[in-house]
Amino acid sequence: LAKTTQPISMDSYEGQEVNITCSHNNIATNDYITWYQQFPSQGPRFIIQGYKTKVTNEVASLFIPADRKSSTLSLPRVSLSDTAVYYCLVGVRGTALIFGKGTTLSVSS
Amino acid sequence: EPEVTQTPSHQVTQMGQEVILRCVPISNHLYFYWYRQILGQKVEFLVSFYNNEISEKSEIFDDQFSVERPDGSNFTLKIRSTKLEDSAMYFCASSQRGTANEKLFFGSGTQLSVL
Repeated sequence: LAKTTQPISMDSYEGQEVNITCSHNNIATNDYITWYQQFPSQGPRFIIQGYKTKVTNEVASLFIPADRKSSTLSLPRVSLSDTAVYYCLVGVRGTALIFGKGTTLSVSS
Repeated sequence: EPEVTQTPSHQVTQMGQEVILRCVPISNHLYFYWYRQILGQKVEFLVSFYNNEISEKSEIFDDQFSVERPDGSNFTLKIRSTKLEDSAMYFCASSQRGTANEKLFFGSGTQLSVL
């Protein structure tokens, strides 16, 4: 299972773009990169997943360079409601997702 | 979007008592999971379940824990003799096929407090 490293915390203001970078140097060929979001007292929620280049959905964009050793989750124009913990997951152990400590994003007005 | 439902949302119990946490996974999903999160810590994998059998379990999932799918809709986690350190938020999750990289759907959790 690839080890991931992401910042412990980030601060932002409403309306700004937030980029959270995750390092995963030993990513395997078959591994996808997946991001989950967790609000306080709620279960994690899938945000986005990608294998290479760029993926965009209604919530976020995911940028993956050619070497796939890192990835960046981009949240456009954050609001107070985007305050949450964001987890970068690479690969699975069997069928189980293994979570790291995540990045706590705090958005202020 | 379909949801995973967990009951109760809060459970308070005395140390040494048995507790059963209940989950209703999404109806056409075949793989079920339990995770836990101790306050302020990361989400930890406990067990995965498919076709009425445990697929995988972590080192946390010892003999005090058991899982069951008693009928076609419910999925339960039983803790036989609760300890203070079992106090945590317990999340149930499900996925359709259990394939690698598939999206997991999580419930809102049961907050277990052991006194």
